[in-house]
Amino acid sequence: EIVLTQSPATLSLSPGERATLSCRASQSVSSYLAWYQQKPGQAPRILIYDTSNRATGIPARFSGSGSGTDFTLTISSLEPEDFAVYYCQQRAAWPLTFGPGTKVDIK
Amino acid sequence: QVQLQESGPGLVKPSETLSLTCTVSGGSVSSGSYYWSWFRQPPGKRLEYIGYIYNSGTMYCNPPLKSRVTISVDTSKNQFSLKLSSVTAADTAVYYCARDYGGVTTWGQGTLVTVSS
Repeated sequence: EIVLTQSPATLSLSPGERATLSCRASQSVSSYLAWYQQKPGQAPRILIYDTSNRATGIPARFSGSGSGTDFTLTISSLEPEDFAVYYCQQRAAWPLTFGPGTKVDIK
Repeated sequence: QVQLQESGPGLVKPSETLSLTCTVSGGSVSSGSYYWSWFRQPPGKRLEYIGYIYNSGTMYCNPPLKSRVTISVDTSKNQFSLKLSSVTAADTAVYYCARDYGGVTTWGQGTLVTVSS
């Protein structure tokens, strides 16, 4: 199966700052990489699918880039509601797999 | 707007079978375009894919779970179900049902299942 790693494990930032999260795949996933946000006690919420496509209702401050094995989620200016855990997920091959997550917390 | 809701026992004894149902509203499980999926998340761990049912019959399961998992659909009730046999404490997790289409996954709210005697 395709293994995803994420860095950093924790990102401590202040509201208004820029967040840059990374995801690396053990083999190419082409552009089939998604990003999710998860808050405690809630289901994951899809932010970005297929590398750079924002899901319905997702603010423009969220953007995704990359290809092959290296991907980035950027939050241009953190809002208070953005402090959460972010997971990447690939759908290039079964089984779908997820990264271990990056926690974005308040500095 | 499709909505999904998991239901089933919150406590299952070791060696027994975990059974969960996902009720779909705002969409049809009979639609051939969607993958109706199950995921789980053990406490403090990453999400894990369990499997899907597609086109009311084609099923895929994550290989480590394949011998213990059955996913089925009941079109008359607009539901799909998960059965996981011979459970152990390692199967304790929040279980999510979801609909996948074109890379976009819509999730249920999740239900915690604890395996304990």
